Amino acid sequence: SQQGEEDPQALSIQEGENATMNCSYKTSINNLQWYRQNSGRGLVHLILIRSNEREKHSGRLRVTLDTSKKSSSLLITASRAADTASYFCATVFQGAQKLVFGQGTRLTINP
Amino acid sequence: SQTIHQWPATLVQPVGSPLSLECTVEGTSNPNLYWYRQAAGRGLQLLFYSVGIGQISSEVPQNLSASRPQDRQFILSSKKLLLSDSGFYLCAWSVLDAGQYFGPGTRLTVL
Repeated sequence: SQQGEEDPQALSIQEGENATMNCSYKTSINNLQWYRQNSGRGLVHLILIRSNEREKHSGRLRVTLDTSKKSSSLLITASRAADTASYFCATVFQGAQKLVFGQGTRLTINP
Repeated sequence: SQTIHQWPATLVQPVGSPLSLECTVEGTSNPNLYWYRQAAGRGLQLLFYSVGIGQISSEVPQNLSASRPQDRQFILSSKKLLLSDSGFYLCAWSVLDAGQYFGPGTRLTVL
């Protein structure tokens, strides 16, 4: 399968701690994207990182991409209860116009 | 700014009944449009995508179909629903090599 795979499947941490989620994929990509989904809602686009980029930041979010290892990580610093959600990575493979989503990481922030 | 509308929010239909879900996008021209289905607690499965009016690519053989009668309108249909069609249906749009933006979703229950 070409789809990205997130690790861990579930993560529970205390408010204020940092949360790290990982994503691995199998073939060359154009870009990799991270999304958040609150329960029962649509997905929200967080960050897009292109294959020639290694790191991007957006507020408390930091995404890294290692194309040699075909992996990416999403770091959420100083977590808040409102960060509780499922996080998905999605990849756009070279020559394709579609995203392929992983199964997601369910993040729970405990107050 | 761009807005994506999707309706209805919830739908309960009997097995064998027809289906029509509509998605419209405002504030952008010639977007790529996508229909996804998400089973409970799982990732997204791409059903159809469209790069222009009348152009539909099907990803998964099934009893669903899609149409794009106008530039910013994407419709998901079925002539006869199956129990296995239950799920959370999400419409999304994108432009160029950028992230996808999702609608609020339709929760479909087939009884």
